[in-house]
Amino acid sequence: VQLVESGGGLVQPGRSLRLSCSASGFAFDDYAMHWVRQAPGKGLEWVSGIIWNSISIGYADSVKGRFTISRDNVKNALYLQMNSLRPEDTALYYCAKGWGASLPSGAFDIWGLGTMVTVSS
Amino acid sequence: QSVLTQPPSASGAPGQSVTISCSGTSSNIVTNTVHWYQHLPGTAPKLLIYNNNQRPSGVPERFSGSKSATSASLAISGLQSEDEAYYYCSSWDDDLGGHWAFGGGTKLTVL
Repeated sequence: VQLVESGGGLVQPGRSLRLSCSASGFAFDDYAMHWVRQAPGKGLEWVSGIIWNSISIGYADSVKGRFTISRDNVKNALYLQMNSLRPEDTALYYCAKGWGASLPSGAFDIWGLGTMVTVSS
Repeated sequence: QSVLTQPPSASGAPGQSVTISCSGTSSNIVTNTVHWYQHLPGTAPKLLIYNNNQRPSGVPERFSGSKSATSASLAISGLQSEDEAYYYCSSWDDDLGGHWAFGGGTKLTVL
């Protein structure tokens, strides 16, 4: 069972970046998936989540209107399109598997190692 | 400012016990279950306790969780050096259309 994030990097304020998370070892289309971030020296912050069939999606207020989460159940992949990036979006972004199929159900039982996003001019 | 409140630090000597608290409100801990994660920098966070007091397979019995009213606690007995890490509580919050909330994290030092 594994989650591997990619797509991070250094980007200027106002620009865009797309993160990807590749899942393996479990029935990807049975579970909700989430993005959680950790800014340098700070704690964990939930960014966004998406249920198994993409019908229900949630965002933290801090990213609403700028970030878009999506998933491809054929490719076992989770994505995070990040637009209008700000310096405060600088963080290590983790992909996490939900315990159940809906957004509030269960804990995050599998996590990736994260991909670093740095927003700076 | 985190929705769930944790002490920033805790400590104990090897073999001792320590408890980490997590305080919330009626929109999160009171009505939803609490989960706990262990995180060592540079590694993936690890689920330690789910649904207030359940341990995933492989988590030692030394780790236990409880919840009452607007607060939850993580207890670690028989402290070991490898327990030195950051610990986060988390719960679904029904406010603002619903979102996941995390505590600010507690750095546990094994003296």
